[in-house]
Amino acid sequence: GAVVSQHPSRVICKSGTSVKIECRSLDFQATTMFWYRQFPKQSLMLMATSNEGSKATYEQGVEKDKFLINHASLTLSTLTVTSAHPEDSSFYICSAGASGTYGYTFGSGTRLTVV
Amino acid sequence: GDSVTQMEGPVTLSEEAFLTINCTYTATGYPSLFWYVQYPGEGLQLLLKATKADDKGSNKGFEATYRKETTSFHLEKGSVQVSDSAVYFCALRMDSSYKLIFGSGTRLLVRP
Repeated sequence: GAVVSQHPSRVICKSGTSVKIECRSLDFQATTMFWYRQFPKQSLMLMATSNEGSKATYEQGVEKDKFLINHASLTLSTLTVTSAHPEDSSFYICSAGASGTYGYTFGSGTRLTVV
Repeated sequence: GDSVTQMEGPVTLSEEAFLTINCTYTATGYPSLFWYVQYPGEGLQLLLKATKADDKGSNKGFEATYRKETTSFHLEKGSVQVSDSAVYFCALRMDSSYKLIFGSGTRLLVRP
């Protein structure tokens, strides 16, 4: 079946630094990728949607300059948290979908801790 | 707007008990409905789905039937196992949209 690899699974960074999270579709071409943020014991909040080769579409309230999303190829999307602060600490999950298919495959998530 | 409402958890059951997690939705059209499961520290896995009214999705002993008349998609399992302990998310997606709209999630804890 479709597999999405997300890494790192855990990252700890210092406040003010930037962190990049990668999301790769291993056996299919992901025309659309989604990035979610999940707070403890809460549901997933969609942050942005990216289509290969075009700019990401951000949900209302999500800072574009803080959460940089790049979808440069059909198998790779990255989320960069710039100038991270402790309030950015969260669980980030990507999901990917292929054109013409129905479901989305989720990555295993990245636990970001900013200290 | 479109939304999904799930029963609040946590739901605590003994092994081999019957499970029901309620899910209702509000949508302007006819969405596809999904159940996802999230194990501790992991991403989401698709558990089952139904794309039209009266469809029954099933997987790993779990079932859910798309009920248009009650706008519901309740998740059931006849006999739960400790390994079913996880958070379960109900979600919908409109045909006209690529977005998944999630419910708040229901934590299930199965005790031996």
